[in-house]
Amino acid sequence: EAQVTQNPRYLITVTGKKLTVTCSQNMNHEYMSWYRQDPGLGLRQIYYSMNVEVTDKGDVPEGYKVSRKEKRNFPLILESPSPNQTSLYFCASSLLPTRLDIQYFGAGTRLSVL
Amino acid sequence: QQPVQSPQAVILREGEDAVINCSSSKALYSVHWYRQKHGEAPVFLMILLKGGEQKGHEKISASFNEKKQQSSLYLTASQLSYSGTYFCGVIPLPGSGGSNYKLTFGKGTLLTVNP
Repeated sequence: EAQVTQNPRYLITVTGKKLTVTCSQNMNHEYMSWYRQDPGLGLRQIYYSMNVEVTDKGDVPEGYKVSRKEKRNFPLILESPSPNQTSLYFCASSLLPTRLDIQYFGAGTRLSVL
Repeated sequence: QQPVQSPQAVILREGEDAVINCSSSKALYSVHWYRQKHGEAPVFLMILLKGGEQKGHEKISASFNEKKQQSSLYLTASQLSYSGTYFCGVIPLPGSGGSNYKLTFGKGTLLTVNP
């Protein structure tokens, strides 16, 4: 079954404690991205990656890091989380968004930073 | 810069029609439409490319006016299952001020269909 898997689904942490949210896809997609969703602001892209070792900033990259060492994995790293990073996070993947390719979203990770 | 969606919210009775609009300040290569139900991941509805190609669900239709940098999603004979938040996402044309791999979503339109 084609899917994008995010872990964990729910996470409560404290300010400054480094964390990683994992994302994995089984569709051999080149393109992967991370979004955060906040009430009234829609989906805002954090980082995206066109392929292994190729990443670029989205609209709200401050406070986040990513890496793409393997095609299937695209972890999101918060080195020193702060309360304003409390949000719902989605990982997505597709072949390339410039074609007629569907973005598949993971189920989401709800993060609370205290 | 996020595309602008209108209306922000709409309430329908089952069987009524609705149009959701999406407008960008940049020249566009493609427009993407997704629907999200509360607490769930966004789900694909439509993709429209500059030049006329498109792909999407049978019961959903949309238009893309390249000159006006606008797209509209048409929901006809609405069903209760259509309720949710609708997002448009845009990819700009190369050279129009954004990366051609950066998909930027609007803030969403909340659609409620009542019996």
